[in-house]
Parts: sequence; C-alpha cells; structure tokens
Amino acid sequence: AQSVTQPDIHITVSEGASLELRCNYSYGATPYLFWYVQSPGQGLQLLLKYFSGDTLVQGIKGFEAEFKRSQSSFNLRKPSVHWSDAAEYFCAVGAPAAGNKLTFGGGTRVLVKP
Amino acid sequence: GAVVSQHPSWVICKSGTSVKIECRSLDFQATTMFWYRQFPKQSLMLMATSNEGSKATYEQGVEKDKFLINHASLTLSTLTVTSAHPEDSSFYICSASDGDQPQHFGDGTRLSIL
Repeated sequence: AQSVTQPDIHITVSEGASLELRCNYSYGATPYLFWYVQSPGQGLQLLLKYFSGDTLVQGIKGFEAEFKRSQSSFNLRKPSVHWSDAAEYFCAVGAPAAGNKLTFGGGTRVLVKP
Repeated sequence: GAVVSQHPSWVICKSGTSVKIECRSLDFQATTMFWYRQFPKQSLMLMATSNEGSKATYEQGVEKDKFLINHASLTLSTLTVTSAHPEDSSFYICSASDGDQPQHFGDGTRLSIL
C-alpha cells in the first residue's frame, strides 16, 4: 500500500522569502504525485502534478516541485512567498493500480509573516 | 478547468436525523467519485469510492450502512449520513474524476450534529 509523509507540520516563512515543503512517499511502482492547497474551510485546489517525464514540474501560483526517485521525494518550492500563500498544503500519491485512489500526507500548515 | 460543486456547504442538525450531501461535476462526466472525511487540523481520509451505476467501495472501518453513497448519474453522487450523532460531525469533501487523474475537489461540507 502507498503512503505519504510530510515531515513538517508547521512552517513559518517571511513574506518574500523562499519556501520548500517536503514530501516523501512509498509506492511499489511509478507513482502519480500531487500537491494540493487548502484554505480554511475550503476544498482542495490542485497546485501541480507529476505523472511521468520531466522531473521538475511547474504549477500554478508560481509553485514548482521536483520528483526524485532515488529519494522517494516530491518537494514543493516557491522562490518568493506572498501573504496569500498562507494555507495548508497536502502532498498526495495516486495509485493507478488501485482505481486511482489518492493517499494524502498529513499536511503542512504554512504561516507567512509580514 | 473542471468544476465540482458540493452542497450544502454547512449543515447543522439534531442527533438522530439523516443528512444528505450532494456532489456534482458541472462540466465533465465523473465516472468515479470519492468521498473523504477530514477532522480539524488533520488530513483527508478516504471513506469510499463510487463508480457510476455501481455500488460504492468502502474503505476499511467505514460503516456502509451509516454512510450511504449513491452515484446514479455521471454528474451526481450523494452521501447520506444516516441517524447522525455528534461523533459524525466533521468536514466531508467529495472529488470527481473522469477516469483519469487528477481528481477535482468540491469545497466541502461542514456537518455539525447537536
């Protein structure tokens, strides 16, 4: 069965600073990998996804993520955060062999200081 | 982009009543819909997967007689929480897929049982 670990529960970053959120996964085959963002009381918005090909993936809102098979990681980055980036971020792995079910990490809450 | 509408966004009801939550895909045919539950400050836990015209597949530990799922059309799935009790209070989120990735999420329903 697949699993996802987000080691950081909270991250505080100053506005304008860079941000990196860590994600490690466990899956027996080539995974589908996703990053979603959730604002309080809202659903999830897809930031970016990796299925195959180029391991550096560009997403919306200036986010990017890099798939590193050797490290089983899919870390999310943004060069310069904005106050509106404060939210909960979830990494997820999709299992094509299991009906495309998603398994989510525990989430990382990002706080942005002025 | 793909839009998933979830209704209601917030419901408060008395213990013992049944509550129905609707999930609609507005601009695509959702062959598969997923229902998740999210407790405060926690990640999303998959409850069940429903394919149009078929019985839902429930995750281990989810009571199928408690959480009734119907997916009668390619644009609508419903989750009915039967005889709801305070411990059923949670944030319920649906997602929809046209058979491929990624899943598109609704904005969630906050259920409060008094």
